[in-house]
Amino acid sequence: DAGVIQSPRHEVTEMGQEVTLRCKPISGHNSLFWYRQTMMRGLELLIYFNNNVPIDDSGMPEDRFSAKMPNASFSTLKIQPSEPRDSAVYFCASSPEGGSAFFGQGTRLTVV
Amino acid sequence: KNQVEQSPQSLIILEGKNCTLQCNYTVSPFSNLRWYKQDTGRGPVSLTIMTFSENTKSNGRYTATLDADTKQSSLHITASQLSDSASYICVVSAGNAGNMLTFGGGTRLMVKP
Repeated sequence: DAGVIQSPRHEVTEMGQEVTLRCKPISGHNSLFWYRQTMMRGLELLIYFNNNVPIDDSGMPEDRFSAKMPNASFSTLKIQPSEPRDSAVYFCASSPEGGSAFFGQGTRLTVV
Repeated sequence: KNQVEQSPQSLIILEGKNCTLQCNYTVSPFSNLRWYKQDTGRGPVSLTIMTFSENTKSNGRYTATLDADTKQSSLHITASQLSDSASYICVVSAGNAGNMLTFGGGTRLMVKP
């Protein structure tokens, strides 16, 4: 398995634009997580899905953020409209039931 | 509120020396504790995972310990190498539905020649 695959690896966008981050979890993993990492706040859980169903989205900073998991092999994190303070590295991770989370390489988002 | 605290925040050591990183947690109910290594520009990679009944677990030059009574864990790195320079993150899983993870702030280790 190629591991958790995220795209794009880097994204630079202008304030106000819509940004969509994509994630393909490891096949067979039933949990998927979206994290945001900044120097100031470290790794923050945004939302996680279990069996494609959003379980806890309390970490989503505001209504500008939304996440979907239409099937077991794909998830998106959308920011609309984007703001400079959204600049961070966004990680997607997946895990089997009770197992360790495997992280993707992350998407470095810069909003100018 | 579930919390994971790590110390020190940063550490500089000379190549070949040993070091120990600390992790204190208040996560309930406790399920397991993992140490991750995160190289600059990459996602975290799991080093060890320990459940309630495990006191120590090794992975090469990395040895993790867990004291479930005091809710403390340590990661000991033996004979450090330049490639050990990274952030080390302690992650505690709560024993409830959905694999909830609480992350520590990490320790940034730099190994100098």
